[in-house]
Parts: sequence; C-alpha cells; structure tokens
Amino acid sequence: NAGVTQTPKFQVLKTGQSMTLQCAQDMNHNSMYWYRQDPGMGLRLIYYSASEGTTDKGEVPNGYNVSRLNKREFSLRLESAAPSQTSVYFCASSRGPRGNTIYFGEGSWLTVV
Amino acid sequence: AQKITQTQPGMFVQEKEAVTLDCTYDTSDPSYGLFWYKQPSSGEMIFLIYQGSYDQQNATEGRYSLNFQKARKSANLVISASQLGDSAMYFCAFTGNTPLVFGKGTRLSVIA
Repeated sequence: NAGVTQTPKFQVLKTGQSMTLQCAQDMNHNSMYWYRQDPGMGLRLIYYSASEGTTDKGEVPNGYNVSRLNKREFSLRLESAAPSQTSVYFCASSRGPRGNTIYFGEGSWLTVV
Repeated sequence: AQKITQTQPGMFVQEKEAVTLDCTYDTSDPSYGLFWYKQPSSGEMIFLIYQGSYDQQNATEGRYSLNFQKARKSANLVISASQLGDSAMYFCAFTGNTPLVFGKGTRLSVIA
C-alpha cells in the first residue's frame, strides 16, 4: 500500500549545502513530478518527467536539478541551498502527463537556515 | 498559460450544512480536466474528484460533487452534510496541455 514514497520527511540545511530528495513510486506510473508548497501559494511545479528518460522544467525550476533514475524513481537535488528554498516538497506520479489523476507522497519539510 | 483561481481564502460552515468552494479557470485548450484535492492539517494531498471537459454529467463522489459550468469556466466543489473532519485546505487543479496547475487553495473550517 506504499504508493509514492519520498525521503527524508524532515531536513534542516545550512545555506550553501547540497542535498537530494528521493522519490519512488510502485504504481507503474509513467509520469513523475516535484512540486513545492509555500504558504498562500498553493503547489507550484518545479520539474516533471513525462516518461522514463525525459525531464522538463515546470514553473519554478531555478536552483534545482532532477534525475529520472528509472521508471520508479525521480530525485530532486538542491546544489547550493538558499533560504528561499525553505518549503514543503511533494513528489507525485500519474499514468501520463496530461489528464490523469496525480497521486502524492506525504511531503518533505525542508528548512534552509 | 493556464490560470486557475480560487477566490475564497477561507470559509466557515456549520456541521451538517452544505458548502460550495469556488474555482474558475482560464484556458484555450479544447480538452482538459479539473481536479479537487484536500489537504488536512497533517499535510498529505488527498484526491477527491475529477471532471473532464467532455463529460456530460457533473462528477460526484459520495458527499462531494463538482458543479461544472463549462461556459462560465467554473468548477465549484460542493460538499454536502459537512463533518468536522472536512476541515482542511482544498485545492482546485487544472490539466490541459500542461501538467497539473493548482489554485492557491481555500481553507474550510467546519463549526460544531
């Protein structure tokens, strides 16, 4: 009953440090996403992968990189963390990139000090 | 670019009453879908209901229904017989030629 699993759940970083958020899904979905959620802003798309082997920028890609490691896994990397990247990060997946229900992981709370 | 608007930052409703959460969208895509998600205080995103632009009937899922008015480009969520557990943030979301785009959300508080 796992669905979308993301780690870590909580992380505190110092400005300039790097880290990778890991995400895996067991629903055999083709598409995967990374969103960030900030107070009053809803969820904004950082990057997505429509299918294995492809990645595309979303609305707020600056400061992030992604890797679609295989069909199951999609990681998000912060190369040099900044306080503006303090947020809640959600990984999600769906059968396809358009018109399909997206299922979310539980979220990762990241604080950059 | 697609735009989705939720004009109600917060709503209050009495327990057992019905409540409507507003959502409007702006698109030139001929085919699209509209979603509603619930986010309780624990933080997870829970899928509630989906409406396709070509669906003939309004979507319903238990106590949730979607009042879809295509000409007005609105997709309001109706929750019937509100329960205390319905207190949460509610997000409307749109997908057409792009991945899911979210509105800023409405915080619903159910009062006993």
